[in-house]
Amino acid sequence: DTGVSQDPRHKITKRGQNVTFRCDPISEHNRLYWYRQTLGQGPEFLTYFQNEAQLEKSRLLSDRFSAERPKGSFSTLEIQRTEQGDSAMYLCASSFDGSLGEQFFGPGTRLTVL
Amino acid sequence: QKEVEQNSGPLSVPEGAIASLNCTYSDRVSQSFFWYRQYSGKSPELIMSIYSNGDKEDGRFTAQLNKASQYVSLLIRDSQPSDSATYLCAALRRNAGNMLTFGGGTRLMVKP
Repeated sequence: DTGVSQDPRHKITKRGQNVTFRCDPISEHNRLYWYRQTLGQGPEFLTYFQNEAQLEKSRLLSDRFSAERPKGSFSTLEIQRTEQGDSAMYLCASSFDGSLGEQFFGPGTRLTVL
Repeated sequence: QKEVEQNSGPLSVPEGAIASLNCTYSDRVSQSFFWYRQYSGKSPELIMSIYSNGDKEDGRFTAQLNKASQYVSLLIRDSQPSDSATYLCAALRRNAGNMLTFGGGTRLMVKP
């Protein structure tokens, strides 16, 4: 399977704990995006990488959130001191330079904060 | 006003009919538009993209774009029960971090 992969698929944690999610983009894609989706809403943009550079961050990305893409391949999204309001589906997408902006999503990580 | 707006539905159509899904956007700088299909509990799946005014057809799907009216639509011909899902409209501005701005989605129900 050469699509976007995410791990874990589900995460249940207690309030105050830290969690980390991983995303592996489609291999030839140099652009990687993180979105968050809550029930009944469309995905909301969190952050964007071109290769290893983080070029854009949403104001939704509070200082408890950090994302990295150290070698321009996979990316991690960490949430520190989780809150119940962080419960959502965290989606990763990728695209490549020269495309017309088409982004392909991974299966998502569903986070539940108790 | 949301940047991308969709009627949340549900839109109910009988099997074999044409389903018409609509989307409006507020940012005139938006350059590309996408339709994603999302089944319950799953991630969005790209089904159509459109960049120029007019129609674009792909199988049973036709996307329509009218930049003057800031309006995007998706027509699904010969609707099947397997088309029942939430359809998300998204707009992209290349000078805004290449981020997609999504509408809230329209839930489509195709009844056998």
